[in-house]
Amino acid sequence: QSALTQPPSVSGSPGQSVTISCTGTSSDVGGYNRVSWYQQPPGTAPKLMIYDVSSRPSGVPDRFSGSKSGNTASLAISGLQAEDEADYYCSSYTSSGTVLFGGGTKLTVL
Amino acid sequence: QVQLQESGPGLVKPSETLSLTCTVSGGSISGSSHYSWGWIRQPPGKGLEWIGSVYYSGRTYYNPSLKSRVTISVDTSKSQFSLKLSSVTAADTAVYYCARHDYNNQRPLPNFDYWGQGTLVTVSS
Repeated sequence: QSALTQPPSVSGSPGQSVTISCTGTSSDVGGYNRVSWYQQPPGTAPKLMIYDVSSRPSGVPDRFSGSKSGNTASLAISGLQAEDEADYYCSSYTSSGTVLFGGGTKLTVL
Repeated sequence: QVQLQESGPGLVKPSETLSLTCTVSGGSISGSSHYSWGWIRQPPGKGLEWIGSVYYSGRTYYNPSLKSRVTISVDTSKSQFSLKLSSVTAADTAVYYCARHDYNNQRPLPNFDYWGQGTLVTVSS
């Protein structure tokens, strides 16, 4: 199974909004509302930011939101802050009963 | 508060078997039927890769690309689950994480909510 496709990098200035895409197939992203997003600052374990496409765990700011259209899921971050600079990964359930991660996107806050 | 901690050798020789254990505290592995327990790895400078997961009953789910070399098991009495990866090469050098994730309708779901700190395993002679 190939990794879900994410852009290698995105950037934005403080206060702006950015969107990170995650493209799969009808056998994973498109077939189930089981997409999650993780934030990983350097040297730390990933942190769950979004699950089930658009749900936020307790404690995650509402600046972070998720959506899905067809085989592509998206993570939107509004009101960008310096602390948001990190690597972001999507993951999805697959029709094979497995979990698949995206290749990761590095977010730079300019 | 659930906590996970990986343990095991940090250096493994090529062709040998990598063995890691994850100890869960602050909650029982068998305490809820809603969770499964997984291993994820991250080679230096690269992305995350799901290795596989185990349900408290012992049912396992593996990444197809690693399935022939992976064994994941659970010991509910010790609140631990373990990873064995055989015939390792330098390509298996990575930070290995253990994590908890939801389990629903016999499906391991991709929302890992609690993670260990990760342990670096280097494959080298």
